[in-house]
Amino acid sequence: KQEVTQIPAALSVPEGENLVLNCSFTDSAIYNLQWFRQDPGKGLTSLLLIQSSQREQTSGRLNASLDKSSGRSTLYIAASQPGDSATYLCALGGGADGLTFGKGTHLIIQP
Amino acid sequence: NAGVTQTPKFRILKIGQSMTLQCAQDMNHNYMYWYRQDPGMGLKLIYYSVGAGITDKGEVPNGYNVSRSTTEDFPLRLELAAPSQTSVYFCASKNGGAYEQYFGPGTRLTVT
Repeated sequence: KQEVTQIPAALSVPEGENLVLNCSFTDSAIYNLQWFRQDPGKGLTSLLLIQSSQREQTSGRLNASLDKSSGRSTLYIAASQPGDSATYLCALGGGADGLTFGKGTHLIIQP
Repeated sequence: NAGVTQTPKFRILKIGQSMTLQCAQDMNHNYMYWYRQDPGMGLKLIYYSVGAGITDKGEVPNGYNVSRSTTEDFPLRLELAAPSQTSVYFCASKNGGAYEQYFGPGTRLTVT
């Protein structure tokens, strides 16, 4: 059974810093890995999706990497802003049968 | 194109009552999913469907039922609601040949 762990559980940094969120998983037989953002009381917003054959994806200030051999993914946020404050969820897809989620990293960017 | 819609947004149930959470998508996606999210946790899969008439259990199916009579709709039925079913419920969909899932806004359910 796939297990997904996100470290740290919570993070608070001053505005402008670059930061890295970590996601580790136990089963490397994955189809894809997806990073989501969730604002309090809201739904999920997809940020980046990395297919199994890919190593990284970039969107604006966000960069996500995938290393299947080590069972790790990182989400890099450059030049953080207060608007980046949210919970970030990592999820792994094994095909038709849904995503397996980590518990998330609660991020606060201090103005 | 509304994407994935869910109704209601909020609901309070008494123990033992039943209800149906509605989910609809207008993207002609054949795969649909129901997840629940407990406070401070990630999402867990309840049920999923790969097409009309086909459903299968996820990680936490007990206490729930689903049906898929059309491509667009995937309702989730709670029978005999229990406090342990207090959660936020998310519906999602995707194309069979694609990777990305699209999520609805969620239904916040409280059972007291």
